[in-house]
Amino acid sequence: NAGVTQTPKFRVLKTGQSMTLLCAQDMNHEYMYWYRQDPGMGLRLIHYSVGEGTTAKGEVPDGYNVSRLKKQNFLLGLESAAPSQTSVYFCASSYDLQGWHIQYFGAGTRLSVL
Amino acid sequence: EDQVTQSPEALRLQEGESSSLNCSYTVSGLRGLFWYRQDPGKGPEFLFTLYSAGEEKEKERLKATLTKKESFLHITAPKPEDSATYLCAVQAGVTGGGNKLTFGTGTQLKVEL
Repeated sequence: NAGVTQTPKFRVLKTGQSMTLLCAQDMNHEYMYWYRQDPGMGLRLIHYSVGEGTTAKGEVPDGYNVSRLKKQNFLLGLESAAPSQTSVYFCASSYDLQGWHIQYFGAGTRLSVL
Repeated sequence: EDQVTQSPEALRLQEGESSSLNCSYTVSGLRGLFWYRQDPGKGPEFLFTLYSAGEEKEKERLKATLTKKESFLHITAPKPEDSATYLCAVQAGVTGGGNKLTFGTGTQLKVEL
């Protein structure tokens, strides 16, 4: 039972490079989320999806794009990486239980942009 | 705007020394308050959800309580393996938008022998 799996676990980019982070969940959850975690800032929501084919902006969406082509996968893209995007990125998923959710998190991707 | 403030930022306890972590919140109609545990280099792990003032939940040495303005995570007779960062988050009672959580910055707990 894998839960939420994120790949890669670590990545180093140069400014201006692009990359895609993959999140996969095997719990058949409708909702998926991308967060970033920075020291002293807590977890901040980047984008989220309430179902296959849907995406929406969170608190800090600038510089990121997402896609949810399949229910089990949620991709986070950086088109032109900047040093300010150095962070730890977490993916989460949840399902709607009469309006209440519990979010389950992956192990994170540690990204450094030089 | 929903806000979550956790205190203290860091806490060092001796094994067996009980204490409490605080989570103060302001939210437009609380739908749920969540406690997560995060170990270094790992993702947050769900501990508890509290839905209404007066509610309490327990798990081993941990007990979470909720009032209209704050939540406490009580740790009774902690052990070194309880060392972690504890995160608090709130879900507002707005319709649509899935389950967006607002997180606090966490309390880093260190339990020493």
